[in-house]
Amino acid sequence: KAGVTQTPRYLIKTRGQQVTLSCSPISGHRSVSWYQQTPGQGLQFLFEYFSETQRNKGNFPGRFSGRQFSNSRSEMNVSTLELGDSALYLCASSLAWPGASYEQYFGPGTRLTVT
Amino acid sequence: KNEVEQSPQNLTAQEGEFITINCSYSVGISALHWLQQHPGGGIVSLFMLSSGKKKHGRLIATINIQEKHSSLHITASHPRDSAVYICAVRSGDFGNEKLTFGTGTRLTIIP
Repeated sequence: KAGVTQTPRYLIKTRGQQVTLSCSPISGHRSVSWYQQTPGQGLQFLFEYFSETQRNKGNFPGRFSGRQFSNSRSEMNVSTLELGDSALYLCASSLAWPGASYEQYFGPGTRLTVT
Repeated sequence: KNEVEQSPQNLTAQEGEFITINCSYSVGISALHWLQQHPGGGIVSLFMLSSGKKKHGRLIATINIQEKHSSLHITASHPRDSAVYICAVRSGDFGNEKLTFGTGTRLTIIP
């Protein structure tokens, strides 16, 4: 069974631009979560989708948005990029609602560099 | 004070030693995760706990809900166990849940 895939793996953008990152969950998984990892802040929760609906959202500005499609694939978008958005963006999928009973499986991440 | 505190921040041990990494949290939780991150960024979920104890191979994770504390143990440590170990807790009400991460413990096992 293929794991979680994320595209692209590496990305360089300029301040002010916008970027879209993609995540394909494990086949059969319906929940996708997104995380940002930086050296300064560590891992932080961005948002979580289940059955095309955003279920939870972390404390990030409105420049960060996402969506989930009917095939469970998910995208996240960052508009008006800032230098501080440089980070590793990770997505994770799980079978269903990622509560106490379901493990999350992480993708390899997209490393975004904003110059 | 962070909601999730891990100790130690760094740990260096000889191959074969018994390793313990601790995680304390300050909020009510529905689940606690232990994650492993190798150089290069890939994260693997090791355990998800809401009570008691789980074991997988040489790894054991325990949680004490009353004391808001969890430990990750590695028996017979091996250089391939060298990684960053991250504790994360899931808290909040339905529809307003969040996952909060510790800052991680960097483990180095010397052959």
